[in-house]
Amino acid sequence: AQTVTQSQPEMSVQEAETVTLSCTYDTSESDYYLFWYKQPPSRQMILVIRQEAYKQQNATENRFSVNFQKAAKSFSLKISDSQLGDAAMYFCAYRSPSISGNQFYFGTGTSLTVIP
Amino acid sequence: KAGVTQTPRYLIKTRGQQVTLSCSPISGHRSVSWYQQTPGQGLQFLFEYFSETQRNKGNFPGRFSGRQFSNSRSEMNVSTLELGDSALYLCASSLDGTLYNEQFFGPGTRLTVL
Repeated sequence: AQTVTQSQPEMSVQEAETVTLSCTYDTSESDYYLFWYKQPPSRQMILVIRQEAYKQQNATENRFSVNFQKAAKSFSLKISDSQLGDAAMYFCAYRSPSISGNQFYFGTGTSLTVIP
Repeated sequence: KAGVTQTPRYLIKTRGQQVTLSCSPISGHRSVSWYQQTPGQGLQFLFEYFSETQRNKGNFPGRFSGRQFSNSRSEMNVSTLELGDSALYLCASSLDGTLYNEQFFGPGTRLTVL
């Protein structure tokens, strides 16, 4: 079974600084996608960034980038120049076109606080 | 384009009752998935509907059921409510549910069972 582990329940960062959120996953499949979702207090989940497992290049979206280590099954999220609006719960997620049918497997989340 | 909408946003029920939650996907999206979010279990997949057919189901008891209509709107029903069913229920829509198309989440329905 696929599992996603986020070992940091809470993190904090000073505004304008950089923070890295950790995620590891377990799978025996070779074709899959990894995601980071943000859930602000308003509760709407928003896609931050995604990475296809077959791509060696790490995905980047503006201030957000990932460090994808396929062999280590690690997928960390780096937020640069942190802003107050980055404060939210962040979920790491996994999907694959397996017999279980494309469903998301989510980690337990990391609550990020941004300190002014 | 309007986003995914869920109604109602908040719901309070008592044990033993049943409840129906509604999800309207983004226009043109044919896949709707449902997730249960609780502090203890995190986000867990309930089921996915595509073109009015349940395509995938998570590990939940039969009290949890759903359906999808021809306009892709989906409803989720929970019968004989238990205290442990208190959760945020999220739905997500995508064009076809494949990995290549992004899933967009709704704001959720907060269900409280007393």
